[in-house]
Amino acid sequence: DGGITQSPKYLFRKEGQNVTLSCEQNLNHDAMYWYRQDPGQGLRLIYYSQIVNDFQKGDIAEGYSVSREKKESFPLTVTSAQKNPTAFYLCASTRFPAGGDTEAFFGQGTRLTVV
Amino acid sequence: AQTVTQSQPEMSVQEAETVTLSCTYDTSESDYYLFWYKQPPSRQMILVIRQEAYKQQNATENRFSVNFQKAAKSFSLKISDSQLGDAAMYFCAYRRFSRGGSNYKLTFGKGTLLTVNP
Repeated sequence: DGGITQSPKYLFRKEGQNVTLSCEQNLNHDAMYWYRQDPGQGLRLIYYSQIVNDFQKGDIAEGYSVSREKKESFPLTVTSAQKNPTAFYLCASTRFPAGGDTEAFFGQGTRLTVV
Repeated sequence: AQTVTQSQPEMSVQEAETVTLSCTYDTSESDYYLFWYKQPPSRQMILVIRQEAYKQQNATENRFSVNFQKAAKSFSLKISDSQLGDAAMYFCAYRRFSRGGSNYKLTFGKGTLLTVNP
């Protein structure tokens, strides 16, 4: 079955550590996205990538980094520069350019907690 | 920049009754898509319904329907015959119509938490 897989489901980070969240899709989608979800804030865009080897900052990119070396993969690194990283992180993908399928497909999320 | 506003942080409905969730958006574009997503306690985002801005007819998916008012930039979701399984966070989202090199990101509202009372 096609879909998006995020791992791990739960992640604990010590202060000052970098951590990487994994996102893999087998939908053959070109565009991939990382969103952060906090209570009462909805989903806020961190980074997105429309094609391999290209990505753009979203609305809250500070303290995060990404790479897009393969079409299927879009890992997110939460660096020590991110002051408040505890949140729920969602990865999504869409077709590019959008044809009949315009909606985003989401992974099941990663809950990151700083300890 | 596009913005999406959901003015109801929480709503409740009795089982089998009808509820309407509100959404307004701001855009200078004429071609775009609008979506309602559902996020149950599992936190998996599920597409509920989609509306293309160029279509005048309101989208319908079983018990879910929208009232799309393009001039007013309003996109409300109506849930009929509410069921316990409808309890979730509901997000309204906007996506610009794609033309070569366009920005395809989804912009979300802050969500409405729907409670269904038995």
